[in-house]
Amino acid sequence: AQKVTQAQTEISVVEKEDVTLDCVYETRDTTYYLFWYKQPPSGELVFLIRRNSFDEQNEISGRYSWNFQKSTSSFNFTITASQVVDSAVYFCALSEARNTGNQFYFGTGTSLTVIP
Amino acid sequence: KAGVTQTPRYLIKTRGQQVTLSCSPISGHRSVSWYQQTPGQGLQFLFEYFSETQRNKGNFPGRFSGRQFSNSRSEMNVSTLELGDSALYLCASSLGGLAVTNEQFFGPGTRLTVL
Repeated sequence: AQKVTQAQTEISVVEKEDVTLDCVYETRDTTYYLFWYKQPPSGELVFLIRRNSFDEQNEISGRYSWNFQKSTSSFNFTITASQVVDSAVYFCALSEARNTGNQFYFGTGTSLTVIP
Repeated sequence: KAGVTQTPRYLIKTRGQQVTLSCSPISGHRSVSWYQQTPGQGLQFLFEYFSETQRNKGNFPGRFSGRQFSNSRSEMNVSTLELGDSALYLCASSLGGLAVTNEQFFGPGTRLTVL
């Protein structure tokens, strides 16, 4: 079974619209970590945020915000007033504390296109 | 600080050959992970090395192997290449440490094409 599900394969929005990317995860661990990465056309994944399972406080960074809800096992990502430079593939990832070290489970990604 | 570097950036091989990919992590990072990215399967974890030891391993056949050197640089080897091995191979580095999950920083990847 997929540990991380990103149901939205592709999204297109017009510049300045808000957009939310969904991420649903599955784990039996009580301690785990969630991440979002951005992969622009150049191919290099760019780290956006890390969240641990004990910190449900939502976070805002500029036009980006994240909503973590353990009750629904979701970690959604919202871009406010989208810009063309936001066009990329966005990945949500999970790491379980039971694993010593780093083993990330990635979702299949959501391809976001912002139309000027 | 220099980022994660991977060499070569592009490779073309034929079936049956073997290939070695190299990754230099961010200075001070001791953990190196490898991922295979394909359009059909997405990003799949291959293995992770920490302090020259393989610490985690994904579900890939034994044709995929790796190692890490004392300076934390890592190499990944694929023997007896198959057409399905065509993919973007990404390397990620992190601080490492025990029972700690740090964010991973990715390199630009090596695009492998198997003909």
